[in-house]
Amino acid sequence: DGGITQSPKYLFRKEGQNVTLSCEQNLNHDAMYWYRQDPGQGLRLIYYSQIVNDFQKGDIAEGYSVSREKKESFPLTVTSAQKNPTAFYLCASSPGTAGFVPIGYTFGSGTRLTVV
Amino acid sequence: EDQVTQSPEALRLQEGESSSLNCSYTVSGLRGLFWYRQDPGKGPEFLFTLYSAGEEKEKERLKATLTKKESFLHITAPKPEDSATYLCAVQAWSGANSKLTFGKGITLSVRP
Repeated sequence: DGGITQSPKYLFRKEGQNVTLSCEQNLNHDAMYWYRQDPGQGLRLIYYSQIVNDFQKGDIAEGYSVSREKKESFPLTVTSAQKNPTAFYLCASSPGTAGFVPIGYTFGSGTRLTVV
Repeated sequence: EDQVTQSPEALRLQEGESSSLNCSYTVSGLRGLFWYRQDPGKGPEFLFTLYSAGEEKEKERLKATLTKKESFLHITAPKPEDSATYLCAVQAWSGANSKLTFGKGITLSVRP
């Protein structure tokens, strides 16, 4: 079955550590996205990538980094510069631009990151 | 800047009590409006796409409608299993950019 796999489901980070969240898709989608979800704040865009080897900052990119070396993979690194990283992180993908057809996202199941 | 406002923030219904969730939006040319359902601790699941005013779509007890300024998600005779957070998102005509802008969601609780 095609879909998006995020791992791990739960992640604990010590102060000052960098951690990497994995996101893999087998939908052959061009575009991939990372969102952060906090209670009462909805989904906020961290980074997105429309094509391999290219990505753009979203609304809250500070303290995060990404890479897009393969079409299937879009890992997110939460660096020690991110002061409040405890949140639920969601990865999504879409076919990207496709003419006049509105294209929605397929989401992964999320990673809950907690600072300890 | 595209904006999506959902109301109310939370809604508590008795089983069988029909109601509507509102999504108001401002966008520079609407390409599509999306509704998602999200259960606690899980990723959002796609419900509907609407892309022109007057369009309606139905799925079981849910019906989504669209005007030029807002969308409604009508829930008819809800059941406890309909309890979830419902997210609305818009996609604009903006070149090659397929980004969605999300509202904060509406948390629905249906009591048996």
